[in-house]
Amino acid sequence: SSGLTQDPAVSVALGQTVRITCQGDSLRTYYASWYQQKPGRAPLLVIYAKDKRPSGIPDRFSGSRSGNTASLTITGTQAEDEADYFCNSPDSSGNRVFGPGTKVTVL
Amino acid sequence: QVQLQQWGAGLLKSSETLSLTCALYGGSFSGYRWSWIRQTPGQGLEWIGEIIDSGITFYNPSLTSRVSVSIDTSRNQFSLRLTSVTATDTGVYYCARAYTNAWDYWGQGTLVTVSS
Repeated sequence: SSGLTQDPAVSVALGQTVRITCQGDSLRTYYASWYQQKPGRAPLLVIYAKDKRPSGIPDRFSGSRSGNTASLTITGTQAEDEADYFCNSPDSSGNRVFGPGTKVTVL
Repeated sequence: QVQLQQWGAGLLKSSETLSLTCALYGGSFSGYRWSWIRQTPGQGLEWIGEIIDSGITFYNPSLTSRVSVSIDTSRNQFSLRLTSVTATDTGVYYCARAYTNAWDYWGQGTLVTVSS
């Protein structure tokens, strides 16, 4: 299967840690990239090549992979981290597939 | 600083052709892939296709019969054409730069609405 699955929503208390997961067969072979999207805005790359952060992305964002699951962890979650988060990965056919997204609510 | 600015018709009728253009500022086409991605109510985020500076293209298998991506390096622009649109093609379309299997720069997005 080339599909990626994500939990629809997760909530986290301000300052606490949240882990967002992405599952799919392609993740055994390819690294996921992760995108943050706020309403009315284009997605913003936060993690690529499993655990690399683009310039300007806070180090509270981190990535990891285990088996067919990629994870995005936000440590010390801030109010501005409330957003939708999407994973993406290539698949074996050359397609580039997105997960359905996880809505993160900061309490 | 790399910037992508996109434009194109936002209201189409069924069976018409969607046409969008993205201009690159502050960077070079060389060494990257130049992508089109859309976000629709039905499919969420969906990769449409991409091109490299030599003109080689890669398309989503589900759209390949209707999509064409082209590049004009002399104008620093690349473009998307999607033929025979239907209501399911309604959504926000983005251009983006791809590097190491990730999109690090995005255009501002264009809302495309297809009416019957």
